[in-house]
Amino acid sequence: AQTVTQSQPEMSVQEAETVTLSCTYDTSESDYYLFWYKQPPSRQMILVIRQEAYKQQNATENRFSVNFQKAAKSFSLKISDSQLGDAAMYFCAYRSAWSTGNQFYFGTGTSLTVIP
Amino acid sequence: ETGVTQTPRHLVMGMTNKKSLKCEQHLGHNAMYWYKQSAKKPLELMFVYSLEERVENNSVPSRFSPECPNSSHLFLHLHTLQPEDSALYLCASSQRESSYNEQFFGPGTRLTVL
Repeated sequence: AQTVTQSQPEMSVQEAETVTLSCTYDTSESDYYLFWYKQPPSRQMILVIRQEAYKQQNATENRFSVNFQKAAKSFSLKISDSQLGDAAMYFCAYRSAWSTGNQFYFGTGTSLTVIP
Repeated sequence: ETGVTQTPRHLVMGMTNKKSLKCEQHLGHNAMYWYKQSAKKPLELMFVYSLEERVENNSVPSRFSPECPNSSHLFLHLHTLQPEDSALYLCASSQRESSYNEQFFGPGTRLTVL
């Protein structure tokens, strides 16, 4: 089975600064999708950004961008101009393009604190 | 109401109780999921219902029993649970034919087993 590793259980960033959350994954597949989800305290998990493995261009959504390194199996999330509302648990997730069970594999999460 | 809703939001039960968690999605999706979220562990996929087909994680104990009467509703029936089953239970839905098939999550049910 695929595994997703988030090696940073906790991170902190000063408001308005930039922070990068790391994610690595293990797979033998060539076609897959990668996601970053955000789970604010006591709130719903929402999708932040997504990336298709066969697209070389890194995905960007406003202040959120990824650094996708397919050969290294790395998918880091960069948050620019951090805001207090960015404080949350962030989960990296993997989905095979061929998964008949639509299974997502999640990492253990990174808790991000934003310091005013 | 929009998105994915879950009831109840909080549940405390004894080990001999029987209870059910409910999930409803208002997104027109055709796949629904149950996850267990425990601290410092990856989200654990418990069950998937997709196009009337059920896929289950073989490591999930039989004291958890899912039911999916239609594409919009999903239940998780609980009986004779153990304290280690205390966790946040998340429901999600997705549209299987979409390219990303990204999942949309509900707010979760915080379950405490005494």
